[in-house]
Amino acid sequence: AQSVTQLGSHVSVSEGALVLLRCNYSSSVPPYLFWYVQYPNQGLQLLLKYTSAATLVKGINGFEAEFKKSETSFHLTKPSAHMSDAAEYFCAVSVHSGYALNFGKGTSLLVTP
Amino acid sequence: NAGVTQTPKFQVLKTGQSMTLQCAQDMNHNSMYWYRQDPGMGLRLIYYSASEGTTDKGEVPNGYNVSRLNKREFSLRLESAAPSQTSVYFCASNERGGQETQYFGPGTRLLVL
Repeated sequence: AQSVTQLGSHVSVSEGALVLLRCNYSSSVPPYLFWYVQYPNQGLQLLLKYTSAATLVKGINGFEAEFKKSETSFHLTKPSAHMSDAAEYFCAVSVHSGYALNFGKGTSLLVTP
Repeated sequence: NAGVTQTPKFQVLKTGQSMTLQCAQDMNHNSMYWYRQDPGMGLRLIYYSASEGTTDKGEVPNGYNVSRLNKREFSLRLESAAPSQTSVYFCASNERGGQETQYFGPGTRLLVL
């Protein structure tokens, strides 16, 4: 079965600083990887996804993630944090033959002035 | 398009009461999902419906039943609510399967006393 681990349940950055949210996956078959964002009291919204095309994936709001098979990682980055980036971020993994989307436990991003 | 809609937005139940959470999507998607979100646990799959007429258990199905009423609608029923079912419930849908983006509803907050 496939799974993801998000390192750090809370991450705090200053406005304008680099955002780095870590995600490592485990899968016995080629995975599909996703980052979702959840703003307070809302549902989840897709930031970006990797489906075996380019290893560097660009998403909405200036976020990007790089698939590294050798490190089994799919870390999310953004060069310069905005106050509006404060939210909960979830990494998730799926496989082509399945339906289940397995989520990490989430990382809460706090952006300070 | 409304996307994925859920009713009710908020519900308080007493232990032992029953209720049905409703979900509908207007994107003509084949697959629909029910998740629950608990603090520090991420999202966990309760049930899913790969296509109209089929349903399958997810990671945490105990205490729940589902009905795929038609292609648009997928309901989740709690026959005898327990305090452990206090959670936020999200419905999602996608075209089909693992590599496709899932689209989430706004959630239903359920409190079981």
